[in-house]
Amino acid sequence: DTAVSQTPKYLVTQMGNDKSIKCEQNLGHDTMYWYKQDSKKFLKIMFSYNNKELIINETVPNRFSPKSPDKAHLNLHINSLELGDSAVYFCASSQDPISSEQFFGPGTRLTVL
Amino acid sequence: GQNIDQPTEMTATEGAIVQINCTYQTSGFNGLFWYQQHAGEAPTFLSYNVLDGLEEKGRFSSFLSRSKGYSYLLLKELQMKDSASYLCASTPGNYGGATNKLIFGTGTLLAVQP
Repeated sequence: DTAVSQTPKYLVTQMGNDKSIKCEQNLGHDTMYWYKQDSKKFLKIMFSYNNKELIINETVPNRFSPKSPDKAHLNLHINSLELGDSAVYFCASSQDPISSEQFFGPGTRLTVL
Repeated sequence: GQNIDQPTEMTATEGAIVQINCTYQTSGFNGLFWYQQHAGEAPTFLSYNVLDGLEEKGRFSSFLSRSKGYSYLLLKELQMKDSASYLCASTPGNYGGATNKLIFGTGTLLAVQP
């Protein structure tokens, strides 16, 4: 009965590799988000999709590519991983793009060696 | 530009009251949020203010003054489990139309001591 789930929870990889993080929500929400939280705990939005359509695209390197196959899923693919990509990545969802509450997934801790 | 300021750390005693302040400067404004984040866990929603005034929800209350660009989160009857980071977040109202883009502050790490 998990609301927003992410896999994997931990991801350790070498520089230069390509990896994906998956996110699913079973809340019936229309809008999903990806956030990055760095080592200083600063949480910053990366992308948002509404009904499978990209609506927010912050200044993120184009090595990061989100994909939303349907409303319930938003995956994040990262090419050519760099040391600075090490962070916790949170997926979130909300009822709609202007909803007052976002529900966060448990996070994926990515470590690039 | 977007700027959210809140204290980095605070310490308080179990059973006491603590107020965590937040000031914001955003291009447009569509509401102010408070989230709680325990170490190693996801942020969880605490409150949302879009109109001036105080919103009370149990031991937690949140206040907003739009004219001053100021909010605070008030925690009463502190418990040890309240030790966490408290994130203030603003939503600019003019991002490509009506979208709920959260701009977070760096968070206030609250330590509740016995």
